[in-house]
Amino acid sequence: DTEVTQTPKHLVMGMTNKKSLKCEQHMGHRAMYWYKQKAKKPPELMFVYSYEKLSINESVPSRFSPECPNSSLLNLHLHALQPEDSALYLCASSLGTAATYEQYFGPGTRLTVT
Amino acid sequence: SQQGEEDPQALSIQEGENATMNCSYKTSINNLQWYRQNSGRGLVHLILIRSNEREKHSGRLRVTLDTSKKSSSLLITASRAADTASYFCATDAGGGNKLTFGTGTQLKVEL
Repeated sequence: DTEVTQTPKHLVMGMTNKKSLKCEQHMGHRAMYWYKQKAKKPPELMFVYSYEKLSINESVPSRFSPECPNSSLLNLHLHALQPEDSALYLCASSLGTAATYEQYFGPGTRLTVT
Repeated sequence: SQQGEEDPQALSIQEGENATMNCSYKTSINNLQWYRQNSGRGLVHLILIRSNEREKHSGRLRVTLDTSKKSSSLLITASRAADTASYFCATDAGGGNKLTFGTGTQLKVEL
């Protein structure tokens, strides 16, 4: 199984809502990532988990809260988002924690904040 | 910013032609990767080239790396309509296991 799955595929939420994005991989990868991608822009790193511990937080606002319940799962909890947070949210994983490892990406969650 | 720059921003070619896209970066790297992204979907890893390598091939893909010029190129030979996608270079210039993506090239291959 060389797949990273993400749910939901699409999400529309109001600025007062609380929602969560989910990501799952069963490749035994020890690093997992959240990226944010705006239209026609490259992915921007948000968070990195290495061995289930948060290792990188790219100064992401606290309205985004990551969680890694186990080595296969990664969540991104959303609260009080702004319209400018509308984007494609990509999850990725890699076998190891060095940048020499290729990253496997999920299909993304298209988030719209109204 | 550590972000790499890619050119051209957009490229339109006919099926069967070769497509070349370039990536420049600002700081020294250990390796450079290329990814493809079909419209609105996840990225797919294409190839990784290490800083001590000058050229690498994978099927119809040829990647070069010139660390003295801090640049890399991706050549797709005999392009197909299915190659239509955005292509991003990514480096470890940010340090650790952090990948920094270039601005991307949108390739359109027409029949």
